[in-house]
Amino acid sequence: SFELTQPPSVSVSPGQTASITCSGDKLGEKFACWYQQKPGQSPLMLIYLDMKRPSGIPERFSGSNSGNTATLTINGTQAVDEADYYCQTWHDRKAIFGGGTKLTVL
Amino acid sequence: ELQLVESGGGLVQPGRSLRLSCVASGFTFDDYAMHWVRQVPGKGLEWVAGISWDSGTLSYAASAEGRFAISRDNADSSMFVQMNSLRSDDTAFYYCVKGRGAAVAGAGWYFDLWGRGTLVAVSS
Repeated sequence: SFELTQPPSVSVSPGQTASITCSGDKLGEKFACWYQQKPGQSPLMLIYLDMKRPSGIPERFSGSNSGNTATLTINGTQAVDEADYYCQTWHDRKAIFGGGTKLTVL
Repeated sequence: ELQLVESGGGLVQPGRSLRLSCVASGFTFDDYAMHWVRQVPGKGLEWVAGISWDSGTLSYAASAEGRFAISRDNADSSMFVQMNSLRSDDTAFYYCVKGRGAAVAGAGWYFDLWGRGTLVAVSS
């Protein structure tokens, strides 16, 4: 079965760049998207079609996808970005989520 | 206002059934596929099932296949999931989720609107 693997946790200092990876077999041949989930809230779409941002999502969030890895990059990370992040793609007409990464802003 | 509101969650015994509902507002419901995604408290997201705009295509995760049945009523902007033979590992928040397009799945499809979720607890 197809799986997406994310690091369980990533730490970053305020103002620095955070990178969260999502790995899957030939993931670069599919499209990836990213969701942010803060405690007690529903997930929020951050990035779709590998790198596009919905309106209202700050420009500091960006995405890329190549080879076996999709990456979510947060430039100038802020304290409000502390949250869980999930990647997602489709395989055999079924949605697949990564296990999630907890971003800590120290 | 774009909104999805789930209902029907609660405590149920193993082996019993439960039906969840979702009511949509603020968008043309029958233009879009709809999905259920669940999350065990403190754990990650798991896609459960999806239904195309016209109910012509139904798709299920392996964990739901044969036990869950997704359906929709476009006249009432509603979606449902009938969950049978419930197990303890079905305990989770169940989110109603709007898909990107009319089909259940497509290259680049994503989930652009989520409800607040309803908690299903399966326990004796």
